[in-house]
Amino acid sequence: DAGVIQSPRHEVTEMGQEVTLRCKPISGHDYLFWYRQTMMRGLELLIYFNNNVPIDDSGMPEDRFSAKMPNASFSTLKIQPSEPRDSAVYFCASSLTGQGGEKLFFGSGTQLSVL
Amino acid sequence: GDSVTQMEGPVTLSEEAFLTINCTYTATGYPSLFWYVQYPGEGLQLLLKATKADDKGSNKGFEATYRKETTSFHLEKGSVQVSDSAVYFCALRRHTGNQFYFGTGTSLTVIP
Repeated sequence: DAGVIQSPRHEVTEMGQEVTLRCKPISGHDYLFWYRQTMMRGLELLIYFNNNVPIDDSGMPEDRFSAKMPNASFSTLKIQPSEPRDSAVYFCASSLTGQGGEKLFFGSGTQLSVL
Repeated sequence: GDSVTQMEGPVTLSEEAFLTINCTYTATGYPSLFWYVQYPGEGLQLLLKATKADDKGSNKGFEATYRKETTSFHLEKGSVQVSDSAVYFCALRRHTGNQFYFGTGTSLTVIP
């Protein structure tokens, strides 16, 4: 399996622009998580889905952030409008309940820079 | 709420030195505990885990024991290598729900 695939690897944008981050989880996994990593706050859970349904979005910073999972093989995290303080590495991770379900598989992340 | 606290970094060691990275947790009930490792430019990877009290997780020479009485899960390795240089994250997962809570990470640099 190719693992969790995120795109783009790097994104540089200007303040006020819309940013869309993409994630393809491992085939068959039923949980998908979006995390944000910064030096100041470490690894923060933004939102997670189970069977494509958002379960907990309490970590989403504000209304500028939104996430969707239209099907089992694709999810997006959108920031509109973007701000410099959104600069971070955004990780997507997936897992499978049941045997081995406690293991998170992470993508390589998207490095976002908002100028 | 549930949380994980791990020792501040960065940690710099010479090759073959002994490593300890402290981790303590706060949780309702009996969570599963994990150590994840992040190499430069990559996502996190599971290093080891323990699912109940007194369990010892081990992998690649690293070990950690689930201590319920001290709510701790310290990571140890007897002899570190340069290739162990990475950021190490302690994490917990409650048995209800599927949320993982991560510590802030500890950066380890091993010098030859």
